This record gives sequence, structure tokens and C-alpha cells, in this order.
Amino acid sequence: GAGVSQSPSNKVTEKGKDVELRCDPISGHTALYWYRQSLGQGLEFLIYFQGNSAPDKSGLPSDRFSAERTGGSVSTLTIQRTQQEDSAVYLCASSISGYEQYFGPGTRLTVT
Amino acid sequence: TQLLEQSPQFLSIQEGENLTVYCNSSSVFSSLQWYRQEPGEGPVLLVTVVTGGEVKKLKRLTFQFGDARKDSSLHITAAQPGDTGLYLCAGALWGGGADGLTFGKGTHLIIQP
Repeated sequence: GAGVSQSPSNKVTEKGKDVELRCDPISGHTALYWYRQSLGQGLEFLIYFQGNSAPDKSGLPSDRFSAERTGGSVSTLTIQRTQQEDSAVYLCASSISGYEQYFGPGTRLTVT
Repeated sequence: TQLLEQSPQFLSIQEGENLTVYCNSSSVFSSLQWYRQEPGEGPVLLVTVVTGGEVKKLKRLTFQFGDARKDSSLHITAAQPGDTGLYLCAGALWGGGADGLTFGKGTHLIIQP
């Protein structure tokens, strides 16, 4: 399958630890998005990459969150000093057009 | 304030019944998408509507984009248990992909056999 893949699928971490989430977009898709899905809150936009351009970080909830995209392909989302409110499903999507986005299965993050 | 309001939030109906899910906003969207999400999976794109007043049909699913591009509806005819899932509408604001998609909170649909 050539869909968006994410790893790990589940991550349990202790409060205060750093975590790194990975996203492999669909080959040829230049746009990559990260979202956060919390219970009862819907999907929250976090950050957007278009090719090798500098990302739009306007949706990142705090400076503990950062993301990078290497070679216009794989992306990692890093959360430093995790807090319990960071617990959520982190979804990655890729796109050619910008509005038709194709999602990965997500990483379920639990901060204890 | 939620930019996209979906209703109803929860809907449980019997197999064979018809239903409509609504997605409303005071904002104008360049396009609107409907996704379906099952537990433990990411949302799966069902349809994109881009023209005001547009109607698209996918088998038993009918999607409509409002004339003013502020609202949309999803109608399912003769619902089946396989239609069970979380239905999400998402809009792209004018200005391109940098804003990401704005999602509604979703409609949890359960079709009972």
C-alpha cells in the first residue's frame, strides 16, 4: 500500500519526557499536515509543510512542540517535556492539491 | 467558537432508515470535504465539493454544498450497519492550504441491524 504511514501507532510516556512521532507521506505529495485529535474536540490543525519551504507553525499549541520535514518527505513531530494534556491521537496527512488530504492511521499518545 | 458546526453529534438509527447530517458555518469555504473515520484509524476522504450548489452522489450517499459555500449536508439512503462510523466535515478557507483544513467535531453514526 502506498498510503500515509505513521509510527509508532501507540506511545505511552511519562510526564516530562520527550517524544518523537514520525510520518511518511504518500510518494509525490508535496504538502504535509499534522493534526491533533482529542476526545470530543475534533481535529486541531498543528503545522503544515509545503515541499522544502519553511513550515507554517501557527497552529502549534506551545513552544514545546516542533516539527521538521527532511528532504521534502518524511516528517517528525517532537513534543518536549510532555504534559498530560498532550495525550491525544496525532494524525498526519499529505496532499497534492492542498484541500484533498489523505490521512495516516495516527499515533495514540498517552502521557502518564 | 467552532468554525464548523456539525449536527447531530450522535445519531443511532435502524438499518434501512434515511438520515441527514449537517455542517454549518458563518465562514465561506473554497471547498468542503467529508471524511469517515473508524476507531483506531485515520479519517478517510469520501468526497470533495468545490462549487456552490454542487451535489455529488456516491452510491447511497448524497453530498450537497450550499449555494453560499457556507454549509453542506450528507444524506444517507437506506442506511446499513457498515455505514457506522464518525463522519467529519472539513472546510478549506480561502487562502490556500497553509491554514490546514477546519474540521467539525463530527457526527457519531450508529446503524443498528
